[in-house]
Amino acid sequence: GIQVEQSPPDLILQEGANSTLRCNFSDSVNNLQWFHQNPWGQLINLFYIPSGTKQNGRLSATTVATERYSLLYISSSQTTDSGVYFCAVDSGGSNYKLTFGKGTLLTVNP
Amino acid sequence: DGGITQSPKYLFRKEGQNVTLSCEQNLNHDAMYWYRQDPGQGLRLIYYSQIVNDFQKGDIAEGYSVSREKKESFPLTVTSAQKNPTAFYLCASSPRTSLAKNIQYFGAGTRLSVL
Repeated sequence: GIQVEQSPPDLILQEGANSTLRCNFSDSVNNLQWFHQNPWGQLINLFYIPSGTKQNGRLSATTVATERYSLLYISSSQTTDSGVYFCAVDSGGSNYKLTFGKGTLLTVNP
Repeated sequence: DGGITQSPKYLFRKEGQNVTLSCEQNLNHDAMYWYRQDPGQGLRLIYYSQIVNDFQKGDIAEGYSVSREKKESFPLTVTSAQKNPTAFYLCASSPRTSLAKNIQYFGAGTRLSVL
């Protein structure tokens, strides 16, 4: 099956810093989603981005499907950005299964 | 409020006991999913259902069972055959429209522990 690798596994920032999280995947994808898991475990949808670039406030994402990677940018980080960021992909077919990476644990210190 | 509701938030299981986790959605989504998350790990798919009265095994279905008798409900039973059930369980649903086939939305999760 498709493999998803996220880097870095852990990231510690001071408030106000910028960061880039990376997601590599081993096959072509129909769907790529970025999620933020808050400290209470809730998974929050950030982006649906199988290709191209999207922006939402301080967050933006770019997927280069031909090179099989996606990047999540966080600018001017805040303590509330802390948590785990997951990338998940669906390689197509009829079952629409999402395969998740292991996540990047982001800690933003005040 | 529209969304996905999981209950209970916390659940404890005794040896040899079956327990059922509830997942209800009022988003009119066709597809529903159950995932398991272990500490420091990503999510792994247990079961999924694309339509009422139909469901398929995911990657780690052993020791679990599901039903899909209604579009809005997809309960997960953790049976006594699941020897390591302690984990965080997340339910998701997706609309499967032609525009965005598989954007999945998640509930708040259930933490299951063994007594």
